[in-house]
Amino acid sequence: GQQVQQSPASLVLQEGENAELQCNFSTSLNSMQWFYQRPGGSLVSLFYNPSGTKHSGRLTSTTVIKERRSSLHISSSQTTDSGTYLCALGYNTNTGKLTFGDGTVLTVKP
Amino acid sequence: NAGVIQTPRHKVTGKGQEATLWCEPISGHSAVFWYRQTIVQGLEFLTYFRNQAPIDDSGMPKERFSAQMPNQSHSTLKIQSTQPQDSAVYLCASSLVLGGSSYEQYFGPGTRLTVL
Repeated sequence: GQQVQQSPASLVLQEGENAELQCNFSTSLNSMQWFYQRPGGSLVSLFYNPSGTKHSGRLTSTTVIKERRSSLHISSSQTTDSGTYLCALGYNTNTGKLTFGDGTVLTVKP
Repeated sequence: NAGVIQTPRHKVTGKGQEATLWCEPISGHSAVFWYRQTIVQGLEFLTYFRNQAPIDDSGMPKERFSAQMPNQSHSTLKIQSTQPQDSAVYLCASSLVLGGSSYEQYFGPGTRLTVL
């Protein structure tokens, strides 16, 4: 079946450092999203990015279909960036369902 | 835009009781999804409606779970005879449908179900 591998599983940064989160997938996809979730919080969509590069403030998402990977770059991290980052992939245009990775837990220390 | 609305936010049931969870999608979104999140299993897809019609229920446990979308403004997930292993956060999401395909999904705050 479809697999979604996220790395690293956890990451600790000092405030101001940059982070690179990876999402690797096993087959071609038709949709791809990055989400952010605080403990006990809801899923916040950061990017819908099935291919190419998108920017939003200090965040950049790059998806390279041929290499079967997507990355999320966080520049100049802040303590408020702490939380879990999840990538989710859609493989079937008929269903639209997303398959989620296990997430990267990011901790940014002051 | 109020976003996806889910009620109740928390529900506690006794083993064997029924639980009904409600979801109101974003106005204009014709795709509705249900997912379940637990510490052990992570986020799992349950079922999908498009234009109120059930399209994919491959993630639904075959017994005790059912979902409906009687109109474009709400969907329900019903769990009969709840069991402790049903305890989870149940998430509803909605998206636009263009050209037959759904796009960016927006999630509600979830309903935390606890079965004692």
